[in-house]
This record gives sequence, structure tokens and C-alpha cells, in this order.
Amino acid sequence: DAEITQSPRHKITETGRQVTLACHQTWNHNNMFWYRQDLGHGLRLIHYSYGVQDTNKGEVSDGYSVSRSNTEDLPLTLESAASSQTSVYFCASRGDMTGELFFGEGSRLTVL
Amino acid sequence: AQSVTQPDIHITVSEGASLELRCNYSYGATPYLFWYVQSPGQGLQLLLKYFSGDTLVQGIKGFEAEFKRSQSSFNLRKPSVHWSDAAEYFCAVGEMEYGNKLVFGAGTILRVKS
Repeated sequence: DAEITQSPRHKITETGRQVTLACHQTWNHNNMFWYRQDLGHGLRLIHYSYGVQDTNKGEVSDGYSVSRSNTEDLPLTLESAASSQTSVYFCASRGDMTGELFFGEGSRLTVL
Repeated sequence: AQSVTQPDIHITVSEGASLELRCNYSYGATPYLFWYVQSPGQGLQLLLKYFSGDTLVQGIKGFEAEFKRSQSSFNLRKPSVHWSDAAEYFCAVGEMEYGNKLVFGAGTILRVKS
């Protein structure tokens, strides 16, 4: 079955370190998204991509970057981790003809 | 800009009782509307969606939602709640065009008491 996987599921890092969260989907979807989930805020969009070599900023993109070198992967990089980036991160993908997002199981990041 | 409001942060209902979770959205055109459910430690699962047509939509697990354009609402309902329905529920609105970024509400945590 097609799926979307995130790794690592849990990570603890220190302030100032670079961190990369991986997202891999086998749906062959062009559209991929990264959200962060924080209590009281729901899910907020960080970055998204409509296809290979395409990346766009979401509402909370500061301090984050993404790259899209193939259809399957959209890694999220925190260039210099900050405590405010402690959160649960969700990757999602969407087929072109439907509105439904398919979500990974999330990556819990703690920045100390 | 799109926005979604879920007025209730927490709701507690008794098992077997009916449920209604509220969702109000702000969007200039006809939106795509969604309800997702998240169990603890899990990703989000789609319950149901509205694109067009019949304003009462049926979803999985016995849930339904009604789109009311005049009230800018898309409330989620279930006639009889089961203990396994305890989870967090998110309403989301998206654009009716290619790309369809979704904007999510803050979520409503449902507790079910036996």
C-alpha cells in the first residue's frame, strides 16, 4: 500500500544545531506539505511544494527550509534550531485531483 | 485570507450521547471543507470532506457534517458517541484550485465518559 513516512519520529537536539526531518511518500503525489502542530494553534503550514524543484513558504516559514529533488521526498531543515521550534511536525501529501491530505505519523522535535 | 475557528477547545460527552463539534470558516469563495481526526501519537485521518453538491456529507465511523453557507459553518455530528471516538478533531478549509493549501482550526479535544 502507498504510504507516507517520517523520520525520525522523536529527536532531541540543542539550540543552534542543524536538524533535518525526512518525509517520504509512495503515493507519487506532486503536492507535499510540512505543518507544525502546537497546542492551541492547530496545524500551521511551514513550507509546501507543488512538484520537483518547486518550494513555497507557508505562514510560519522563518528558520525552516525545504528542498524537492524528486517526487517522493521533501526534507525539512532547521538551519539553527531554536527552543521555539520545539513542536510536532507533520508531513502530508495530496494528489492533484482531490483535496484530501494524507499525513505521516509526525516527528516530535525537542530543542534544549 | 482563509481562517477556521473551532470555538470549543474541549468537549466531554457521555458514551451513547449525541455529539456536535462546531466549525466556522472565513473564506471569500466556495471552499473545500474537511474534518480530520487525530488519535494520540498518530497522524491525522480524514473523516469527511465537502466540495460541492449535497450540503450534508457522510463520513467514516458514523460521522456527518452539514455545510451552511449562510452561517459559514461546517459542524460535525454523530448521533451516538463511542468511547473509541475520544480524540482531537480538526476542521480545515482549502482553496478550490490547484495546490489547495489547507488552513486548520485549533482543534477540539473530545473526551468520552462511560
